[in-house]
Amino acid sequence: NAGVTQTPKFRILKIGQSMTLQCAQDMNHNYMYWYRQDPGMGLKLIYYSVGAGITDKGEVPNGYNVSRSTTEDFPLRLELAAPSQTSVYFCASSWTGGGSYEQYFGPGTRLTVT
Amino acid sequence: DAKTTQPNSMESNEEEPVHLPCNHSTISGTDYIHWYRQLPSQGPEYVIHGLTSNVNNRMASLAIAEDRKSSTLILHRATLRDAAVYYCILRDGSNFGNEKLTFGTGTRLTIIP
Repeated sequence: NAGVTQTPKFRILKIGQSMTLQCAQDMNHNYMYWYRQDPGMGLKLIYYSVGAGITDKGEVPNGYNVSRSTTEDFPLRLELAAPSQTSVYFCASSWTGGGSYEQYFGPGTRLTVT
Repeated sequence: DAKTTQPNSMESNEEEPVHLPCNHSTISGTDYIHWYRQLPSQGPEYVIHGLTSNVNNRMASLAIAEDRKSSTLILHRATLRDAAVYYCILRDGSNFGNEKLTFGTGTRLTIIP
């Protein structure tokens, strides 16, 4: 299993540009999450999904959009990028059926907005 | 959400046990205690979790105080690979399927060769 994969690894955006961060998991997990991590800080939840077609806001959703059309994929869309969105973005997934509640994280996407 | 308090940083010698403390004085009866760690330039990885009883797995042990207001993550024999930021997180278990985690700033563990 590849686990949780994220693309791209790095990206530089100009202010006002848009982009989509890709996330995929091959573990058949029902839950998926997007976090951001600013320098020296812990992770903050942006959006999460409890299954295909169902998404909900986390702690810091402004400036982002998500969709979940399949179990495997959970892309994060940035519209009108701003310098405040410079961060490392982590995608994660988990399975609620087994009772372990372990979240598996991807390697992250480092985004710079200038 | 109930909060946790951890030291900003700790140091330990290689091949010695490490005890990482976490205070959570406002913990509720349905809050689970989770530990994750984040190695440099990587995403977090799950370490261990528990509710009331002490827990052991291949990576670590979790000791939970009787009143549940504090817990300690124990690495039995630290290696250089254990150098990471360790996060103590409370997860509200009162809602079925609630898996949202709130990360603090964690404890940066340095291992001295």
